[in-house]
Amino acid sequence: EPEVTQTPSHQVTQMGQEVILRCVPISNHLYFYWYRQILGQKVEFLVSFYNNEISEKSEIFDDQFSVERPDGSNFTLKIRSTKLEDSAMYFCASRRDGENTEAFFGQGTRLTVV
Amino acid sequence: TQLLEQSPQFLSIQEGENLTVYCNSSSVFSSLQWYRQEPGEGPVLLVTVVTGGEVKKLKRLTFQFGDARKDSSLHITAAQPGDTGLYLCAGPNRDDKIIFGKGTRLHILP
Repeated sequence: EPEVTQTPSHQVTQMGQEVILRCVPISNHLYFYWYRQILGQKVEFLVSFYNNEISEKSEIFDDQFSVERPDGSNFTLKIRSTKLEDSAMYFCASRRDGENTEAFFGQGTRLTVV
Repeated sequence: TQLLEQSPQFLSIQEGENLTVYCNSSSVFSSLQWYRQEPGEGPVLLVTVVTGGEVKKLKRLTFQFGDARKDSSLHITAAQPGDTGLYLCAGPNRDDKIIFGKGTRLHILP
């Protein structure tokens, strides 16, 4: 069964360093998302991506964040200069085109900023 | 702003009991999804409800979408310890962004 895969599963980085979180969405899906979940808190929307551009982003997704689809399969989230408060689980999701289609989530990357 | 409110936030019940958790909004959603999330893992899709009044069953889980498509419920019959987890409802907003409720953390005691 097709699934969304994320790497790495866990990343520890020093404050101020850049990180790139990687995702391989399901192959025939056209909408891509990044969400984050701080420990014990709700799943928060960061950004949605469609047709090779950002379609919507939240207030959390400031200039430190960027997304890219460098080739036909990968979808990356870059945080340029990490802060302690960026520590969270980051989830990638994708869904196919069409109304009322469901999003499927990856297993997440646990980012720890020290 | 479209919001999804889930209740209760926490629920701890004995194995074998029945329970219902709720997902409510003041806005109409074209569909709602229910996910279950285990600690340290991503949300796993359980079901999507689309039509007002729709009822879907997944073994001991029954999902219902309100007639006005503003609310949904999840009913679990004869809860098992394996049902323990965080249950999230989610739905697409007008901009196709998927928004989540805060979830109901369910704990089934053996």
